[in-house]
Amino acid sequence: NAGVMQNPRHLVRRRGQEARLRCSPMKGHSHVYWYRQLPEEGLKFMVYLQKENIIDESGMPKERFSAEFPKEGPSILRIQQVVRGDSAAYFCASSPQGPGTGNTEAFFGQGTRLTVV
Amino acid sequence: AQTVTQSQPEMSVQEAETVTLSCTYDTSESDYYLFWYKQPPSRQMILVIRQEAYKQQNATENRFSVNFQKAAKSFSLKISDSQLGDAAMYFCAYRSAIQGAQKLVFGQGTRLTINP
Repeated sequence: NAGVMQNPRHLVRRRGQEARLRCSPMKGHSHVYWYRQLPEEGLKFMVYLQKENIIDESGMPKERFSAEFPKEGPSILRIQQVVRGDSAAYFCASSPQGPGTGNTEAFFGQGTRLTVV
Repeated sequence: AQTVTQSQPEMSVQEAETVTLSCTYDTSESDYYLFWYKQPPSRQMILVIRQEAYKQQNATENRFSVNFQKAAKSFSLKISDSQLGDAAMYFCAYRSAIQGAQKLVFGQGTRLTINP
């Protein structure tokens, strides 16, 4: 049973380009979370999705950032018109069911390091 | 909003010795979960140990144990018999137990160095 798979591991974009980060949850997991980690900081929650639904996007910047988790395929975090401040590691985590329904753990991927030049 | 604070940006310990990493948090909730995650240079986030707030007994996982002081809102991690492979960033995290809650709130991290 493969873990949470994120790709690419490293992504370099020029200012103004679009960045697409992919996350395939663990088999059987239908809940996905995205976090951002700036250099030398802890992870900050961005968005929580279930299949085809955004449940909580309170941590998402209002502009340029969007996320989806379609019925088929991986979850995508999309950053339009990237700026240098978007440079960070972006982590995806998945869980088999929603939290609060027992002691449900979320398992993390290895992250995508985005560098904006 | 909940906050998590790790006041030690860096710690070091001699191999085979014991080290304690500090974590405090702020919340108005009575039921929640607390976690310690390890992040080695590979960037993988690895769950080290978990504590349910309603349990008075401190969690233990092999060489890792916690000192959970609910009234003081303190959740420290003790690593016994430190090994070179323990070198990593360690993050303390909080999660509400409210139905539907999902966010992990992380501290700033402590970088642990193991001296051979």
